[in-house]
This record gives sequence, structure tokens and C-alpha cells, in this order.
Amino acid sequence: NFVLTQPPSVSESPGKTVTISCTRSSGSIDANFVQWYKLRPGSAPTTVIYEDSQRPSGVPDRFSGSVDRYSNTASLTISGLMPEDEADYYCQSYDSDIPCVFGTGTKLTVL
Amino acid sequence: QVQLQESGPGLVKASGTLSLICVISGDSFSHSSWWNWVRQPPGRGLEWIGEINYEGRANYNPSLESRVSMSRDTSKNQFSLRLTSVTAADTAIYFCARLVSRNFDSWGQGTLVTVSS
Repeated sequence: NFVLTQPPSVSESPGKTVTISCTRSSGSIDANFVQWYKLRPGSAPTTVIYEDSQRPSGVPDRFSGSVDRYSNTASLTISGLMPEDEADYYCQSYDSDIPCVFGTGTKLTVL
Repeated sequence: QVQLQESGPGLVKASGTLSLICVISGDSFSHSSWWNWVRQPPGRGLEWIGEINYEGRANYNPSLESRVSMSRDTSKNQFSLRLTSVTAADTAIYFCARLVSRNFDSWGQGTLVTVSS
């Protein structure tokens, strides 16, 4: 099975832009859709990006997703950072052998 | 709007069996959805446990496959998780979630299960 590796933590100031990476260890990142979830303590996870770059209704357009097949990496970019964006973020994908793999998770701190 | 609610014992003895139920409201076992269990050990990341569909067909995380089983009760609109031979490493918040087109679009609030020695 493949692994999705994320940086353990990122931090940035309010109003700035931050990008969280998610690198797939084997198999092509663009072979299967990537989703991104936001997780805050005491709350259920919520989807911020699905199918690589789609935003669910209610998610602000400050959130965007992309996939780079050359680096085999998916990315979540959050612009105009706000204090409420502080959370843990997880990417997630799958393949024909395993229906779900979560990334290692990234703690976003808004300074 | 789909709502999911986990329930079950918050404390399980080591070597025992962890059993949880997820009650679904606002949806039923439709052909397009898979019903999942995901957990998060304290201070660690999310781990997918397994999924079950309307037919009762289940897929499990290979790392847990020898100890996990899932079932569903369509008449009660709920599905369940059973994890045997638990250890302290199984202490976690357990979430149930709906998977549609490989995206988890609805989650329960999660329930903390502690394995005691």
C-alpha cells in the first residue's frame, strides 16, 4: 500500500498564504482523486477539498487544491489566512487495492 | 441532511472486544454510499478501519483485518464495528462516516474508547 506524506506542521501569519503538501509514495497521484479534511479538537472532520480541486458548498474560495504529477504531490493552498483556519489537515486518497489511505496530517498554526 | 451518531462503551478491557454502533439519520443504505469507521489515537493521525455497503460487503484496513469485522442492520438504519483482542494501542476516538465517490461527506462527532489494562 502507498503512503501519503505531509509535513508535520506549518505556520503562517493571518492574511498570508500557506500551502500544505501531500506526497504519494507509490502509484500516480493523479490516478485517484485526493480529498482534504480539516479536523479541530472536539469536532468532526469536514471536507475542504474533494476530487483534487473541488470545494464543497460553504467552503470559502480561499481554499484551493491542486495535483502535480511530476512531483507526485497534491497540495492544499489557503490564502488570506484567518484564525479559524488553525486546525489539523489531512489528505486522503485510495487505489484499487485499498479503499482509503489518509495522509500523515499537518498541524496548521496561524500565528 | 445526514447525521451520524456513534455509541458504545467508553472503556474496554485489554484483550477484550470493542463494539460500536453508528446510527444513521437523514439517509439510508443507498447503493452509492459506503459506511466507514475511522479512528484517531491520542496525539496521532487518522486511520481508516474499514467500510461496509448496502449489500453487507465489507473492506478492511489490512493492518487490522485479522481483528475487525463490520455489519449493518438495514431495518434499524445502523452499522457496527467489532474489534477483537484490543490493546492500549486501540485507544482512540472512533468516528463513523459516510463515503460517497471516495469522499467522506458526513461524519459522526466521534466517541472516545479507552482500553484499560
